[in-house]
Amino acid sequence: KQEVTQIPAALSVPEGENLVLNCSFTDSAIYNLQWFRQDPGKGLTSLLLIQSSQREQTSGRLNASLDKSSGRSTLYIAASQPGDSATYLCAVNYGQNFVFGPGTRLSVLP
Amino acid sequence: EAGVAQSPRYKIIEKRQSVAFWCNPISGHATLYWYQQILGQGPKLLIQFQNNGVVDDSQLPKDRFSAERLKGVDSTLKIQPAKLEDSAVYLCASSLAGGNTEAFFGQGTRLTVV
Repeated sequence: KQEVTQIPAALSVPEGENLVLNCSFTDSAIYNLQWFRQDPGKGLTSLLLIQSSQREQTSGRLNASLDKSSGRSTLYIAASQPGDSATYLCAVNYGQNFVFGPGTRLSVLP
Repeated sequence: EAGVAQSPRYKIIEKRQSVAFWCNPISGHATLYWYQQILGQGPKLLIQFQNNGVVDDSQLPKDRFSAERLKGVDSTLKIQPAKLEDSAVYLCASSLAGGNTEAFFGQGTRLTVV
């Protein structure tokens, strides 16, 4: 069964800290993996897409890595800001559909 | 580039009533998805279309949920009759095709069944 988990479920950090969010998946036969951000009451905003052949992707203060063999991806956020407060979801694409993790709820305190 | 459009944004109905949601995907995107997101959980796939054909509807509660994608563009998702446990955000997404392409999501419709 294709399952995706995310650790931690919630995280609260002071502004300026670097932080890491973790995503694990049971089936490594993936096409790609996407990280999304979701603000309360809103839809999903795509942050980074990593293809199965890639090891990492970077966008601004965000860096996502992928280790397909171990079934893991991490999202690194540098110099966190209060505006980064949101829920972060990873979604694994198995070709037919995306399987989502439950998300990590991040609070960055000023 | 216009994003995925969904309407309505919010809907409150009584149990046993019916409701319909509408989605307009990004122009040219062949694949369209409907997801259900219950509060505190990740989205769960309900149905996936490739053009106007159904690719996967294995998790769609077919006794009360139905969806169609006429002409391979817009899509509607209907619930009839609604139950309290259907309260959730319904997200529509689209991508150029299945496989290794990126998915783009709409703002969602928040349904409350009372």
